[in-house]
Amino acid sequence: GQQLNQSPQSMFIQEGEDVSMNCTSSSIFNTWLWYKQDPGEGPVLLIALYKAGELTSNGRLTAQFGITRKDSFLNISASIPSDVGIYFCAGRTGNQFYFGTGTSLTVIP
Amino acid sequence: GAGVSQTPSNKVTEKGKYVELRCDPISGHTALYWYRQSLGQGPEFLIYFQGTGAADDSGLPNDRFFAVRPEGSVSTLKIQRTERGDSAVYLCASRPANTGELFFGEGSRLTVL
Repeated sequence: GQQLNQSPQSMFIQEGEDVSMNCTSSSIFNTWLWYKQDPGEGPVLLIALYKAGELTSNGRLTAQFGITRKDSFLNISASIPSDVGIYFCAGRTGNQFYFGTGTSLTVIP
Repeated sequence: GAGVSQTPSNKVTEKGKYVELRCDPISGHTALYWYRQSLGQGPEFLIYFQGTGAADDSGLPNDRFFAVRPEGSVSTLKIQRTERGDSAVYLCASRPANTGELFFGEGSRLTVL
């Protein structure tokens, strides 16, 4: 199945730094979702975006739905140790959801 | 509980055996999805139910895989004659009607020896 291009693949940052990751696709989506997955657990929904250009925040997280509808980015401000995990983007078209390959985030205290 | 519930959380089986994985979606969610996740990868689509019927089963890898949702709530993913390559985490997700938000369970980790 289709997997979206997500970058970077991994990040190692100092606690307190800001983080940015993005997701691109060759297809247009009508919804973009961002998830966080901890080891041994299922993905947890962080943010949902429904309109091109939409910018949505959830605490220290901010995500944007790209104007072309083929991309999205996620920013995390002032990272903390519990931000560690794998972040996945997902794009929806119709009833289908396609996932990115994930960005592994490590926060160094 | 309020979330998607999956059982078992872990299943170890021998090559050639039959396996059933169960998913109990969030109450009232009409859409149910099964995904498979291999190490280092994002979830890959297997099958999608709208109510009792499989609306899209194009992601099932072969005819050893089958899923049912007889009453439009709980779903069971069935794998026959398991192979070592079937080892993965099987994730279930549900979605309320008319929204684009997908909610996942904790997954069932299948190991085929």
